[in-house]
Amino acid sequence: QKEVEQNSGPLSVPEGAIASLNCTYSDRVSQSFFWYRQYSGKSPELIMSIYSNGDKEDGRFTAQLNKASQYVSLLIRDSQPSDSATYLCAVTGNNDMRFGAGTRLTVKP
Amino acid sequence: IAGITQAPTSQILAAGRRMTLRCTQDMRHNAMYWYRQDLGLGLRLIHYSNTAGTTGKGEVPDGYSVSRANTDDFPLTLASAVPSQTSVYFCASSPSVGGLNTGELFFGEGSRLTVL
Repeated sequence: QKEVEQNSGPLSVPEGAIASLNCTYSDRVSQSFFWYRQYSGKSPELIMSIYSNGDKEDGRFTAQLNKASQYVSLLIRDSQPSDSATYLCAVTGNNDMRFGAGTRLTVKP
Repeated sequence: IAGITQAPTSQILAAGRRMTLRCTQDMRHNAMYWYRQDLGLGLRLIHYSNTAGTTGKGEVPDGYSVSRANTDDFPLTLASAVPSQTSVYFCASSPSVGGLNTGELFFGEGSRLTVL
């Protein structure tokens, strides 16, 4: 079992809809959780971090964390074609950061 | 603009050759990392350094070595390249707040390496 699991997609949503991206992790001692966006051919860029259970909102993005269920999600409201990218979930491990394989999101105009 | 610089951006290398990928940051971040990214496998950690003078092994360290002589530089060396090391390599750094690593990674633009 991979330490960080994501649905590889592709996930396709129409413009203006809510995109929901999910991630599960196996290490119960993980403390910090991150979402990165990676456009094709580019490097990952941090878009959200979350450290405690509950929701954290930043503009159109909401990260949700449930440590008991070992589950973290990212909601993108009012999705735009420019949101089309691969979204990487990352979880802190023992002195390092482990990434999921990423979910490819396509927002159709 | 401050950030992380990687070199070379792209390289084709014969198997068995030695190669060093360079990484320099000017943000004075304590922690630095090397990842490789392969299709379907995502980002996998090769080596990391929590501070100058220290290094550690990540998930896939075999065939790679690193050094951290100072805060800014974190080179990755392939002693004898093999075709399975064909990948995109990303260097990253992470700031600290109050002496604690935030875990937030800032990535370089990547180095695409092809080993024939």
